[in-house]
Amino acid sequence: SQQGEEDPQALSIQEGENATMNCSYKTSINNLQWYRQNSGRGLVHLILIRSNEREKHSGRLRVTLDTSKKSSSLLITASRAADTASYFCATEGAAGNKLTFGGGTRVLVKP
Amino acid sequence: GAGVSQSPSNKVTEKGKDVELRCDPISGHTALYWYRQSLGQGLEFLIYFQGNSAPDKSGLPSDRFSAERTGGSVSTLTIQRTQQEDSAVYLCASRRGWGQGGPEAFFGQGTRLTVV
Repeated sequence: SQQGEEDPQALSIQEGENATMNCSYKTSINNLQWYRQNSGRGLVHLILIRSNEREKHSGRLRVTLDTSKKSSSLLITASRAADTASYFCATEGAAGNKLTFGGGTRVLVKP
Repeated sequence: GAGVSQSPSNKVTEKGKDVELRCDPISGHTALYWYRQSLGQGLEFLIYFQGNSAPDKSGLPSDRFSAERTGGSVSTLTIQRTQQEDSAVYLCASRRGWGQGGPEAFFGQGTRLTVV
């Protein structure tokens, strides 16, 4: 079963617009991570937010975490065609064991 | 090597045959994961190794699937008597152990398995 569920499943935007995607999870976590996947192969880590943090920034990425609602959001500002990819959230359980992924959001940035 | 290496990158096998997929993690990473990803879908957790602890096998879909990690390094995922529904990309990831650095996982490029 998947811990994280992403919303929307797919997103199409114009270059320069912002892209926002959300992730919900079910159990207590140590941290939540966002990954990017191009062309259905290996994933690349983007950003991590710990359970005691509420917001984090990295370049054009902004991630928020609301542990009371068990949800997170990833914002990509000023999107570029190269941001076209699938984005996945992943949670590390409070017991510090396996990393569980959501279903992903497919983002298409049109030039 | 510098990253996680998986082999083969592509594998076509006949239904009923056994296959072995290999993962070479980043040197020094004590945690290793296997995931399965069907076309256009999310990552399905299969198995997790952490140091010398007993592996978490809770994601293995049937007893046809098994994995081992020798010497705390290389891991092999074995699928016996393959079925067409086993066709997917199998992804391996490794990361540092607890207290040894960031918990982010580093992924290999995956093995695309096609059962015909």
